[in-house]
Amino acid sequence: AQTVTQSQPEMSVQEAETVTLSCTYDTSESNYYLFWYKQPPSRQMILVIRQEAYKQQNATENRFSVNFQKAAKSFSLKISDSQLGDTAMYFCASSGGTSYGKLTFGQGTILTVHP
Amino acid sequence: EPEVTQTPSHQVTQMGQEVILRCVPISNHLYFYWYRQILGQKVEFLVSFYNNEISEKSEIFDDQFSVERPDGSNFTLKIRSTKLEDSAMYFCASRGLADTQYFGPGTRLTVL
Repeated sequence: AQTVTQSQPEMSVQEAETVTLSCTYDTSESNYYLFWYKQPPSRQMILVIRQEAYKQQNATENRFSVNFQKAAKSFSLKISDSQLGDTAMYFCASSGGTSYGKLTFGQGTILTVHP
Repeated sequence: EPEVTQTPSHQVTQMGQEVILRCVPISNHLYFYWYRQILGQKVEFLVSFYNNEISEKSEIFDDQFSVERPDGSNFTLKIRSTKLEDSAMYFCASRGLADTQYFGPGTRLTVL
């Protein structure tokens, strides 16, 4: 069974600054994937970034990057140059290669970007 | 860009009634999923569907729930006799050969 834990229920940041959201996970899978999804007030689930566990290089997508520490089972999301549109709930999720890819989500972190 | 669509966006029903939530996954995807999110809580897996059959289901997905892919495009979730606790946002997702799931906009189900 997989578990995902997000220990920060809420975070806030000033516009243009950098913020890091934390996530830890546990899995018995040898091959797995990690994701960050954004859920704005519309409640749509939007993929932010994905990381394949067998890749050592941290994934990057424009202003979003991850710090993947496999031994520590940690997968944090860094948002640089925060924008007002980044205000949303952020979910960390994992999927395993042997379980038809079902996603296991963390509890979420509400991020507020202040002007 | 291809996207997952869901209808209706909001469904209101009386307790005990049957509801069908509809999804059109991305056309060349092979794996389909339903998730549920009760307001203020995390997203929970319900069921996965591959090759026209259920591949995995959670404890939430009891006999009141069923899924179907009646044609080449639609993927439906049926709740036979709704309960108050079924009120939630229901998300459909699909994925192709890669492991990334793309979500639809969700259907908000309200059971009165």
